Amino acid sequence: TQLLEQSPQFLSIQEGENLTVYCNSSSVFSSLQWYRQEPGEGPVLLVTVVTGGEVKKLKRLTFQFGDARKDSSLHITAAQPGDTGLYLCARSGNTGKLIFGQGTTLQVKP
Amino acid sequence: EPEVTQTPSHQVTQMGQEVILRCVPISNHLYFYWYRQILGQKVEFLVSFYNNEISEKSEIFDDQFSVERPDGSNFTLKIRSTKLEDSAMYFCASSSQGKSTDTQYFGPGTRLTVL
Repeated sequence: TQLLEQSPQFLSIQEGENLTVYCNSSSVFSSLQWYRQEPGEGPVLLVTVVTGGEVKKLKRLTFQFGDARKDSSLHITAAQPGDTGLYLCARSGNTGKLIFGQGTTLQVKP
Repeated sequence: EPEVTQTPSHQVTQMGQEVILRCVPISNHLYFYWYRQILGQKVEFLVSFYNNEISEKSEIFDDQFSVERPDGSNFTLKIRSTKLEDSAMYFCASSSQGKSTDTQYFGPGTRLTVL
């Protein structure tokens, strides 16, 4: 199966807390992308990870690609209300088609 | 900054009617996509399009769906006879290279409501 499973589905935390969301698959993928989607808008690409074990940082966001390239995580340090949104992982096929996970809805309360 | 635009933002239609959703991709992009997101569910791939041809389509993209690039700027999704279950957000996306690591830029979506 090429399904991507994200966990948790929902996360509600206080401002300043740290959090990690996960994206898992039983299949190996050549690359994985993380998107953020706000209500009423389309997904916006945050990062693409390609190499097993790769770590990428985007300000307070840290993305990791598993060594076996079957899983990935997104860690947010000191979450802020502006981080609230739907976080999606997606894998891409040869034609560019994206297969998305079901997403993690994050709410950061002030 | 260039962006993908979509019109209308919200379309309400009666079951059985035809709808056309419009998208203007980023001007120098060559690869175009439609996705849909039923309320509370994940974003699902519908179709990819390159060089005036469908590159790949999903099981959802049956004979009721068609895509077209009628001119140099627009990319349309037509649903011939809408069903209640077609109610969803429809997102258009475009990219420059169509590779698996390429960035797809998404439009803001069209909310389709079928009554």
